[in-house]
Amino acid sequence: EPEVTQTPSHQVTQMGQEVILRCVPISNHLYFYWYRQILGQKVEFLVSFYNNEISEKSEIFDDQFSVERPDGSNFTLKIRSTKLEDSAMYFCASRGDDSQPQHFGDGTRLSIL
Amino acid sequence: DQQVKQNSPSLSVQEGRISILNCDYTNSMFDYFLWYKKYPAEGPTFLISISSIKDKNEDGRFTVFLNKSAKHLSLHIVPSQPGDSAVYFCAASDNYQLIWGAGTKLIIKP
Repeated sequence: EPEVTQTPSHQVTQMGQEVILRCVPISNHLYFYWYRQILGQKVEFLVSFYNNEISEKSEIFDDQFSVERPDGSNFTLKIRSTKLEDSAMYFCASRGDDSQPQHFGDGTRLSIL
Repeated sequence: DQQVKQNSPSLSVQEGRISILNCDYTNSMFDYFLWYKKYPAEGPTFLISISSIKDKNEDGRFTVFLNKSAKHLSLHIVPSQPGDSAVYFCAASDNYQLIWGAGTKLIIKP
């Protein structure tokens, strides 16, 4: 069964450094998402992406965050200058169309030191 | 922000019996609801969904019930199996994003 793939599984970064989290969505899916889950808290929506542009973003997704689909397969989340509070599990998701559920990768654990 | 609530952090059920997981929501504009299952160190896995035009959806051992007037949905698993032990998340879709509950940890006792 096709799946969403995320790399790396764990990223450790110094505060203030840039980090790029990578995702390969399911082939032929059109909608892409990033969520995060801080330890002990709910899963939170960050951003949705469709047709090569952001559809919606949450308050969390400020100017330090950006997303890109640089080629036909990858979907990346960049955090420009990381903060301690960016430490979380980051999940990528994709779906085929409006009638289908979102399918998730296994996440990247981001630890900011 | 408590738009989707799962009030039971954990639930313990005997193998073979029925597991019932509950979820409440506050926004009557939500029209599509999903249940996801999550094992440690893995991402959420889609289980079953329901549209607001229905009050029940069934898929094998899993049934989701929706009570729109009470803004309540539940997931029934019958019979419960050891592999069902996981965290179950209820989520509501507002077209662009999923809004998540806090999850319920289901433990199936042998």
